[in-house]
Amino acid sequence: DAKTTQPNSMESNEEEPVHLPCNHSTISGTDYIHWYRQLPSQGPEYVIHGLTSNVNNRMASLAIAEDRKSSTLILHRATLRDAAVYYCILDGSGNTGKLIFGQGTTLQVKP
Amino acid sequence: GAVVSQHPSRVICKSGTSVKIECRSLDFQATTMFWYRQFPKQSLMLMATSNEGSKATYEQGVEKDKFLINHASLTLSTLTVTSAHPEDSSFYICSAIRLAGNTDTQYFGPGTRLTVL
Repeated sequence: DAKTTQPNSMESNEEEPVHLPCNHSTISGTDYIHWYRQLPSQGPEYVIHGLTSNVNNRMASLAIAEDRKSSTLILHRATLRDAAVYYCILDGSGNTGKLIFGQGTTLQVKP
Repeated sequence: GAVVSQHPSRVICKSGTSVKIECRSLDFQATTMFWYRQFPKQSLMLMATSNEGSKATYEQGVEKDKFLINHASLTLSTLTVTSAHPEDSSFYICSAIRLAGNTDTQYFGPGTRLTVL
């Protein structure tokens, strides 16, 4: 499975934008880029996913580099409820659907 | 978004007993579900893939006779931890795949906290 690299932790101020980076230099052409987040003592929550083009939804935006070797999850205005561990995962499952979680980025949001 | 539930949310049992955890997709059918385990301060570890109507596929190092998985219907998968021991204490999380257009999205349950005394 192609691997991803994320910073262990990041800090943000409330109501400011947050850019969470993810490197995936060994991504293959059919790998989707998925982002999930996990709040303490809860199951992961789907955030967004994409293949080549940038994606927007009500939670976040996903910016994908042209060579697809990196991507950035953008939270436009961080709130205290956005404090969580954010996981960037490549779906290289060959249609099995398996997601392999790395260590993710722990986002702290300061009031 | 799609909803996946787990029951119970928390269970405490004695060493040597068996514990069953249920995972349900509430508003969609899921031919494939997954079971994960998460120890404190660690990431999720995939245990097995549960397929409706067929045997589960276990990840390397996961004992299939200890972690019994049954995917009886398109909305229910169960994980039974047999002869539980304190080292099995963990946060167990299931997920279900929902088909949406050309891609699948996994939706996760809220997790079950298992404590074995």
